[in-house]
Amino acid sequence: GESVGLHLPTLSVQEGDNSIINCAYSNSASDYFIWYKQESGKGPQFIIDIRSNMDKRQGQRVTVLLNKTVKHLSLQIAATQPGDSAVYFCADASSNTGKLIFGQGTTLQVKP
Amino acid sequence: NAGVTQTPKFQVLKTGQSMTLQCAQDMNHNSMYWYRQDPGMGLRLIYYSASEGTTDKGEVPNGYNVSRLNKREFSLRLESAAPSQTSVYFCASSAGLGLAGSLPYEQYFGPGTRLTVT
Repeated sequence: GESVGLHLPTLSVQEGDNSIINCAYSNSASDYFIWYKQESGKGPQFIIDIRSNMDKRQGQRVTVLLNKTVKHLSLQIAATQPGDSAVYFCADASSNTGKLIFGQGTTLQVKP
Repeated sequence: NAGVTQTPKFQVLKTGQSMTLQCAQDMNHNSMYWYRQDPGMGLRLIYYSASEGTTDKGEVPNGYNVSRLNKREFSLRLESAAPSQTSVYFCASSAGLGLAGSLPYEQYFGPGTRLTVT
């Protein structure tokens, strides 16, 4: 089956620095990827998505990069703020059913 | 717009008891999902309903049943709770495939139900 995993369980950064959260996927047929942010005690919240025919997509302070050659996905957060502290999940979406397969998550800790 | 709502927020059950988790969405979404999240883990799909009138098993369906009551509501039932079902349960919805102008894969999540089975 498919699996989507993140490289590091925890990432600690200084406020104001850029953060990079990585994700590897195994299914070469995956055609859609999403990043979610989950704050403590809350449900996941959509951040940004990217389709497999794209290499890069930018949002507000966030950029997602997709490298299909090595099946790698990353989320970059510019000028990380304390409010960015959360668990970040990547997920792979099935183009047929819309089902999401989630990775285990990376906890981002922002130090003041 | 409340988005996705779930009840209850917290629940403690004894082994063998039954209960139903309720979920409703007001975004006119076609697809709805139930996930469980265990400590240090990602979300695992229990059941989903791609459209009203259909339900399908996800990754971890054993011990659960679902009902898509109407387009808005999707319930999850535990017939005989077990300690292994202690978890946080999330309901989600998405526009679903084929809905013009919508992002089919973006799922909106409820706040979760924390269930403890003793």
